[in-house]
Amino acid sequence: GENVEQHPSTLSVQEGDSAVIKCTYSDSASNYFPWYKQELGKRPQLIIDIRSNVGEKKDQRIAVTLNKTAKHFSLHITETQPEDSAVYFCAASKGAGKSTFGDGTTLTVKP
Amino acid sequence: DAGITQSPRYKITETGRQVTLMCHQTWSHSYMFWYRQDLGHGLRLIYYSAAADITDKGEVPDGYVVSRSKTENFPLTLESATRSQTSVYFCASSRSGNSNQPQHFGDGTRLSIL
Repeated sequence: GENVEQHPSTLSVQEGDSAVIKCTYSDSASNYFPWYKQELGKRPQLIIDIRSNVGEKKDQRIAVTLNKTAKHFSLHITETQPEDSAVYFCAASKGAGKSTFGDGTTLTVKP
Repeated sequence: DAGITQSPRYKITETGRQVTLMCHQTWSHSYMFWYRQDLGHGLRLIYYSAAADITDKGEVPDGYVVSRSKTENFPLTLESATRSQTSVYFCASSRSGNSNQPQHFGDGTRLSIL
């Protein structure tokens, strides 16, 4: 089955710096790659997603890049703010709605 | 997203007891999922359902039972609870279709088994 590895497991940055989280997947048939943000004690919520026919997608301070050849995708957060502190999960899916999640990255933004 | 609700939010029970976690969504989404979330393991899929009366195992199905008699409900039952099943359980749903869709999660149920 699909295997998704996510790095780093923890990331600490200064407010205003950029943060990058990377994920690799094993199944070349995967074609949908969402990112979820989970604040402490809350539910995971979608922040951005990308499909395999697109190499990059941006939404304000958040961007995701996809390299299908290397089978990896990354989340980029620019101008980080304290409210960006959360656990971020990547996921990979190849259909039937089912996704395989990475183990998560705990991002801490220091004011 | 108020469209998907889980109950109870917190539950404490004893080893060997049966416990059922409820999940209800109002969007008429075809797909529904159950995950458990433990430190260091992220979200692990227990069971999922593509439609009413269609269910399938995920990564960690042992010790759990699901049913989906109606599109909007997807209960998860622990038939004989064990301490290793202490976890936070999330239900999620997504629309059907050939293109993948994001999942919408409930608020979770924190289950403690003593």
